[in-house]
Amino acid sequence: SQKIEQNSEALNIQEGKTATLTCNYTNYSPAYLQWYRQDPGRGPVFLLLIRENEKEKRKERLKVTFDTTLKQSLFHITASQPADSATYLCALDSIGTDKLIFGTGTRLQVFP
Amino acid sequence: GAGVSQSPRYKVTKRGQDVALRCDPISGHVSLYWYRQALGQGPEFLTYFNYEAQQDKSGLPNDRFSAERPEGSISTLTIQRTEQRDSAMYRCASSSGTSSYNEQFFGPGTRLTVL
Repeated sequence: SQKIEQNSEALNIQEGKTATLTCNYTNYSPAYLQWYRQDPGRGPVFLLLIRENEKEKRKERLKVTFDTTLKQSLFHITASQPADSATYLCALDSIGTDKLIFGTGTRLQVFP
Repeated sequence: GAGVSQSPRYKVTKRGQDVALRCDPISGHVSLYWYRQALGQGPEFLTYFNYEAQQDKSGLPNDRFSAERPEGSISTLTIQRTEQRDSAMYRCASSSGTSSYNEQFFGPGTRLTVL
């Protein structure tokens, strides 16, 4: 069956460190993968998109990698700050459709 | 301009009643998506529209759920004969293009509680 897995346990890190979140998928062949941030009580907000033929994408302190062999995307936040604390969701396209399938999200907590 | 808006923000209803949830997308956005989100989970796809045409309704749980977007702008998600299991956060999102490649802008959601 098709699955998108993100760490269900919260990730707790100290301010200034690099946070790394994982998104694994099975039985999908996505052309691209998106990452969203969601704060409590709010809707998800788009952060980055990476295509299947891109190994890495950067935006300010954010970096995303996409390994179609491992069926995995890694999301990194460097020099993390308490304001980065939120839930981060990965989402990928389902071939033959124009809908996004979301993972369960990983909650990140950055401590001062 | 204004973002995606949804109304009502909170809806409490009794089991068996019908409810209508409204979504106002960003002006000019051609695609509109409906999701349901349980606490601690990611958004679960329900249905989506390109302009006024419903493209995919495979995520609607059963035939009590329906959606429309008659003029290609505002959309309504209707749940008939509500049941307690329908209680959830319902979110809509819009995007400027017809492919899921395009960034989606989410609304604040409607929290539905069925007593």
